[in-house]
Amino acid sequence: QSALTQPPSASGSPGQSVTISCTGTSSDVGGYNFVSWYQQHPGKAPKLLISEVSKRPSAVPDRFSGSKSGNTASLTVSGLQAEDEADYYCCSYADTKNLVFGGGTKLTVL
Amino acid sequence: EVRLVESGGGLIEPGGSLRLSCAASGFTFSNAWMTWIRQAPGKGLEWVGRIKSKIDGGTTDCAAPVKGRFSISRDDSENTFYLQMDSLKTEDTATYYCTVYSSGTCSYWGQGTLVTVSS
Repeated sequence: QSALTQPPSASGSPGQSVTISCTGTSSDVGGYNFVSWYQQHPGKAPKLLISEVSKRPSAVPDRFSGSKSGNTASLTVSGLQAEDEADYYCCSYADTKNLVFGGGTKLTVL
Repeated sequence: EVRLVESGGGLIEPGGSLRLSCAASGFTFSNAWMTWIRQAPGKGLEWVGRIKSKIDGGTTDCAAPVKGRFSISRDDSENTFYLQMDSLKTEDTATYYCTVYSSGTCSYWGQGTLVTVSS
């Protein structure tokens, strides 16, 4: 069982927006602004999408955005494209000084 | 361009040892904190451990499932860091990724190396 809770699947049609949630506790997501999101295509290494809740590396399209409220962080993908179909993982720094991950969400573009 | 290349994976029997390497380039390795993340086949990501830069103390920390069996080290002269894995168990079977770590973020990832623990 993963430390952070994500829905196992999400879906949307091209052009639509999808939001993936990531729920933790006050010891991780709620306690620190060190939430990150990663995209992983099949057979590939994960790639950083969002750091520190809402910071986006320059190479990541602005269709990807992050936010946090209390113990829940969210990743929103706007203007869905076929290439967005992938697994998405959230991650948070925790009181244990470790990183904790969500179980991952498989995003399907219909 | 940041580049991380893992090596050292393979098939090993339970109870055996293996050392993974991660060769880094494209950034000032000696200033970087580095982590190991693993992913069991068909499963999610799991933090294995991290090493601070020497200027920040060079200390290491490992996740509970591997503490006492795995250790992390670095050689700044070779821009390489390592994961020494002892007393391997079947549940350690995974692809192991090295990453650059900063502010709770794994900003760059290697391509991974597969470790299979099986008799």
